[in-house]
Amino acid sequence: KAGVTQTPRYLIKTRGQQVTLSCSPISGHRSVSWYQQTPGQGLQFLFEYFSETQRNKGNFPGRFSGRQFSNSRSEMNVSTLELGDSALYLCASSLEGGREKLFFGSGTQLSVL
Amino acid sequence: EDQVTQSPEALRLQEGESSSLNCSYTVSGLRGLFWYRQDPGKGPEFLFTLYSAGEEKEKERLKATLTKKESFLHITAPKPEDSATYLCAVRIIQGAQKLVFGQGTRLTINP
Repeated sequence: KAGVTQTPRYLIKTRGQQVTLSCSPISGHRSVSWYQQTPGQGLQFLFEYFSETQRNKGNFPGRFSGRQFSNSRSEMNVSTLELGDSALYLCASSLEGGREKLFFGSGTQLSVL
Repeated sequence: EDQVTQSPEALRLQEGESSSLNCSYTVSGLRGLFWYRQDPGKGPEFLFTLYSAGEEKEKERLKATLTKKESFLHITAPKPEDSATYLCAVRIIQGAQKLVFGQGTRLTINP
């Protein structure tokens, strides 16, 4: 069974640009969440999608947005990039988002210059 | 504010030298405590979920325990391949994927 797939693996952007990251969950998983990981702040929750609806949101500015498609694949978008947005962006999936464990992808490493 | 604190930040052991990692938490309502392992360049890999005080889970050389205020990850006779960052996280909303993570403990096992 394939795991959570995130593309691209690495990305370099400049300040002011926007970026879109993609996540394909494990087959059958309907819940997808996104996390930002930095050396200073650790792992921080961005948002969660279930059945194409945002179910929970973390404390990030409106420049961070996401969506989920009918096949459960998800994308997150960051507009007007800032240097502080440089981080590893991790996607995680689970069946329903209840008591199940989260399965993480390997992440997209974003560098903002 | 919900908070998860892990200690120590880094731990270096000799192969075979047992030790414990600590995760203390202050949350409004615990809906599960999770332990993950993360290797460099990879996403976190699930190890254990604990739900109630007194619960214990074991897997190979690892054993996780839970009290009302903290959790311990005991590692017995570790091997170099156990070297990784170990992350603790709590779920505070029933049925949600929102986890609050600690900063992690970077564990190095020397042969």
